[in-house]
Amino acid sequence: GAGVSQSPSNKVTEKGKDVELRCDPISGHTALYWYRQSLGQGLEFLIYFQGNSAPDKSGLPSDRFSAERTGGSVSTLTIQRTQQEDSAVYLCASSLDRADGYTFGSGTRLTVV
Amino acid sequence: QQQVKQSPQSLIVQKGGISIINCAYENTAFDYFPWYQQFPGKGPALLIAIRPDVSEKKEGRFTISFNKSAKQFSLHIMDSQPGDSATYFCAASTGGSYIPTFGRGTSLIVHP
Repeated sequence: GAGVSQSPSNKVTEKGKDVELRCDPISGHTALYWYRQSLGQGLEFLIYFQGNSAPDKSGLPSDRFSAERTGGSVSTLTIQRTQQEDSAVYLCASSLDRADGYTFGSGTRLTVV
Repeated sequence: QQQVKQSPQSLIVQKGGISIINCAYENTAFDYFPWYQQFPGKGPALLIAIRPDVSEKKEGRFTISFNKSAKQFSLHIMDSQPGDSATYFCAASTGGSYIPTFGRGTSLIVHP
């Protein structure tokens, strides 16, 4: 596609529920990243996928967070047993190889009530 | 992760003025320094980037100044316009790392 597509754009969920956030990167981009942006905060790295290599999960804040990338393309970020502190904008980005020239999606705004 | 310190946190400028945002880093291995611009409801978009082999890069009204010895780089927006009102993030990365380090962002408001 022309850009990085994320869905849904907004998600409101009840505390304790599981949520899945989807990212469809630019076709041909081998690198995919997930970031979290809380209100007034910077960009918090969550996880990085590169081709068929094992993902770098070093930024995941707890074991309630997980992500997968199927077929080297679409990625899903799953948050289990959501908490109010999980409320944030979750951003996905992709690039051809390294960190140069990231392209971000518009994000999913998650609100846990 | 190595830290990238960005300042100021917020900035208000009159139309036509110069906006200046500064970033400082510690890791001398950083070799790529991009700036991202983010409008409300959108993801950050790459604005301009520099590598340490040059001290300045200019694209239109946007200029990056890079001081390798001081480990600092800054974004200058000349003739600032209300349409420039956005949040700006600096970042830094190394050839050996695929994960850039971002500054905490600067909220810029340009008054008409």
